[in-house]
Amino acid sequence: EAQVTQNPRYLITVTGKKLTVTCSQNMNHEYMSWYRQDPGLGLRQIYYSMNVEVTDKGDVPEGYKVSRKEKRNFPLILESPSPNQTSLYFCASSFQTPGGPYYEQYFGPGTRLTVT
Amino acid sequence: DQQVKQNSPSLSVQEGRISILNCDYTNSMFDYFLWYKKYPAEGPTFLISISSIKDKNEDGRFTVFLNKSAKHLSLHIVPSQPGDSAVYFCAASEGAGNNRKLIWGLGTSLAVNP
Repeated sequence: EAQVTQNPRYLITVTGKKLTVTCSQNMNHEYMSWYRQDPGLGLRQIYYSMNVEVTDKGDVPEGYKVSRKEKRNFPLILESPSPNQTSLYFCASSFQTPGGPYYEQYFGPGTRLTVT
Repeated sequence: DQQVKQNSPSLSVQEGRISILNCDYTNSMFDYFLWYKKYPAEGPTFLISISSIKDKNEDGRFTVFLNKSAKHLSLHIVPSQPGDSAVYFCAASEGAGNNRKLIWGLGTSLAVNP
């Protein structure tokens, strides 16, 4: 089954404690992306990756890191989480074309993060 | 300032009737529009899209209409079914190549009542 998986689904942590949210896709997609969803602000892109070892900042990258060492995995790293990073996080993937990524993206189920 | 606006946070429709979800945008450079559907505790799933060179795209019960002069698009669901109850997001894309960006609306929660 074609899918994007995220782990963990729910996480409560404390300020400053490093954490990683994993994302994996089994569709051989080149393009992967992380979003956060907040009330009144909609979905905002954090980081994206066009392919292995190619990553770039989205609209709200501050406080986050990513890596793309393998095509299927795109972990999101919070080195020193703060309460303003409390949010619902989605990983997404799609094929990449010469004209840019397909926006018919596949999304993971989301990770609810609370930073106290 | 929101470039993609879904002004109705919620909509309630009777089963079998038409659901019309609306979306307005402000950026005339948007050239591709998408609708996503989201159930609770799941990620958004792609529903239907339309290029700015078209004014209508149909896929089964779902039709998207684009009015470029009014900077308005709408999603029609006919007939509506209880399983259509979800949050619907409108999204718009602009830019060239790898600089393409996707801007999302805040969503409209649709309830289809049996």
